[in-house]
Amino acid sequence: DAKTTQPPSMDCAEGRAANLPCNHSTISGNEYVYWYRQIHSQGPQYIIHGLKNNETNEMASLIITEDRKSSTLILPHATLRDTAVYYCIVRVGGGNAGNMLTFGGGTRLMVKP
Amino acid sequence: GAVVSQHPSRVICKSGTSVKIECRSLDFQATTMFWYRQFPKQSLMLMATSNEGSKATYEQGVEKDKFLINHASLTLSTLTVTSAHPEDSSFYICSASTPDGLLRFGQGTRLTVV
Repeated sequence: DAKTTQPPSMDCAEGRAANLPCNHSTISGNEYVYWYRQIHSQGPQYIIHGLKNNETNEMASLIITEDRKSSTLILPHATLRDTAVYYCIVRVGGGNAGNMLTFGGGTRLMVKP
Repeated sequence: GAVVSQHPSRVICKSGTSVKIECRSLDFQATTMFWYRQFPKQSLMLMATSNEGSKATYEQGVEKDKFLINHASLTLSTLTVTSAHPEDSSFYICSASTPDGLLRFGQGTRLTVV
């Protein structure tokens, strides 16, 4: 799986948009970008994923650059409950149950009042 | 949505005893489940891949005789930490792949060996 690079930490004011960047310059054509987050002492929670088009769901938006070498996760209106470690992971997608996730260091997002 | 349930959420055991952690896929079948371990302020580290009906595949450096994995059905995998020692104290997390290819995670188990 391609390696990702994320800033170790970020702060965001409550109610503002949180933009979390991720670099994945060695991503290959069949690899998706996945975002998970881990709130303290809980298991990781799936947020969103995409291949090359921008994606949006009820939790967040995912913006992938045209060359697919980087992406940004956007939490449009951050709340205190969004304080967590956010992991950007690239891996081959689809229904292959054998593809585990390799976690990097992630970004520790602190949402402040 | 697809749910992975892990039990217990926390356990304290005496040194030398064994502890079993269960991981269940509640509304889907999972032929493959994964077990991770996480130390404080560190990222998740894959320990092993659990395959239904066959032996687990362990990552390098993980003792298979110490961390016994059983995946006897399509909805249940168990991790048994045998002869636990204080250095085995950690946060253990399982995950399973849903039919649409997403990996869902359990709530995690905080193991403390005293």
